[in-house]
Amino acid sequence: KNEVEQSPQNLTAQEGEFITINCSYSVGISALHWLQQHPGGGIVSLFMLSSGKKKHGRLIATINIQEKHSSLHITASHPRDSAVYICAVLGGATNKLIFGTGTLLAVQP
Amino acid sequence: EPEVTQTPSHQVTQMGQEVILRCVPISNHLYFYWYRQILGQKVEFLVSFYNNEISEKSEIFDDQFSVERPDGSNFTLKIRSTKLEDSAMYFCASSEQGASNQPQHFGDGTRLSIL
Repeated sequence: KNEVEQSPQNLTAQEGEFITINCSYSVGISALHWLQQHPGGGIVSLFMLSSGKKKHGRLIATINIQEKHSSLHITASHPRDSAVYICAVLGGATNKLIFGTGTLLAVQP
Repeated sequence: EPEVTQTPSHQVTQMGQEVILRCVPISNHLYFYWYRQILGQKVEFLVSFYNNEISEKSEIFDDQFSVERPDGSNFTLKIRSTKLEDSAMYFCASSEQGASNQPQHFGDGTRLSIL
């Protein structure tokens, strides 16, 4: 069983829709990252959080430590949001990121 | 904005050959990482490096792999005798402090193809 599970694996949305991507993990963590990977491979860090909620532009990330669950929300989605979104967790006393398999998002105009 | 740079973007190598992947982390960062992503699979941690030594490594990072910070700017990953299964995208990352305190900044990756 993967230590980090994401759902859905694939998501197609219409431009303007509100999008939610979920991440559940089974290990104790010190922080959780949301990353974006575009075609061609480059990875961009979107958020790092250990509690509560963070917002950056149209992106919102939340985490519930007790439930071991995080969500990434995209408001007013746009075709340029199309990418793979990856959840990765940092275990307790470690610098090792454990990655989910990613959610492939396609936003259609 | 400062960024992590990786070279080359694509490396093609014969099986059994040595390969060195190069990374220039962000200049004031102290922690460095290598990850790999086999095509169609998730990203996997290889190794973390701090204060000129390996701080953590995964089971993937066996005796065929080594890392080095040969000068004040470069951080390299060497694979001594490449295998077909080493074909993957390799990402370098760096962070200002330990990973629990600061986000990691990733390079664009080196696509390694072993023939």
